[in-house]
Amino acid sequence: DTGVSQDPRHKITKRGQNVTFRCDPISEHNRLYWYRQTLGQGPEFLTYFQNEAQLEKSRLLSDRFSAERPKGSFSTLEIQRTEQGDSAMYLCASRASWNTEAFFGQGTRLTVV
Amino acid sequence: SQQGEEDPQALSIQEGENATMNCSYKTSINNLQWYRQNSGRGLVHLILIRSNEREKHSGRLRVTLDTSKKSSSLLITASRAADTASYFCATDLSGNTGKLIFGQGTTLQVKP
Repeated sequence: DTGVSQDPRHKITKRGQNVTFRCDPISEHNRLYWYRQTLGQGPEFLTYFQNEAQLEKSRLLSDRFSAERPKGSFSTLEIQRTEQGDSAMYLCASRASWNTEAFFGQGTRLTVV
Repeated sequence: SQQGEEDPQALSIQEGENATMNCSYKTSINNLQWYRQNSGRGLVHLILIRSNEREKHSGRLRVTLDTSKKSSSLLITASRAADTASYFCATDLSGNTGKLIFGQGTTLQVKP
């Protein structure tokens, strides 16, 4: 399967714990995006990378969130000191260029209890 | 912030009927993409239409774009029960970031 891959698919964590999600984009895509989707809403942009450079972060991305793409391939999104409001689906997408199709992974559903 | 609005929010039709969903947006765009999402799953890419295109087809899907009205529509012909899902439009704003701005989606139910 050469699509976008996300791991894990589901994560349940206790409030205050740290969690990390991984995204493997389509191999030849140099742009990688993170989005967050809450129930009944469309996805909202969080941040994006071109190769290993993080070029934009949304105001939704508080200081507890950090994202990396160390070698311009896979990316990780870490949430520190999770809160119940962090419960959402976290989606990753990749694109070959800024104006080509964006392909999404299956998402990681985070539940903070 | 969300810039797209989809209409209707929910649509229920019988198998075999056509389904039309509309999307409006507020600012200039490079292109517009439509996605399908089954409950609890990721987004499946359907069609990308560029700002200089007016219509695009893919199988049973037809997408139109009217940049003067800042609106797009997605038509699904001869619907099937398997088309039951949420459908989202996503706009690529002018510029070269490639970040997408989504609407709230239309929930389509196709009854067998």
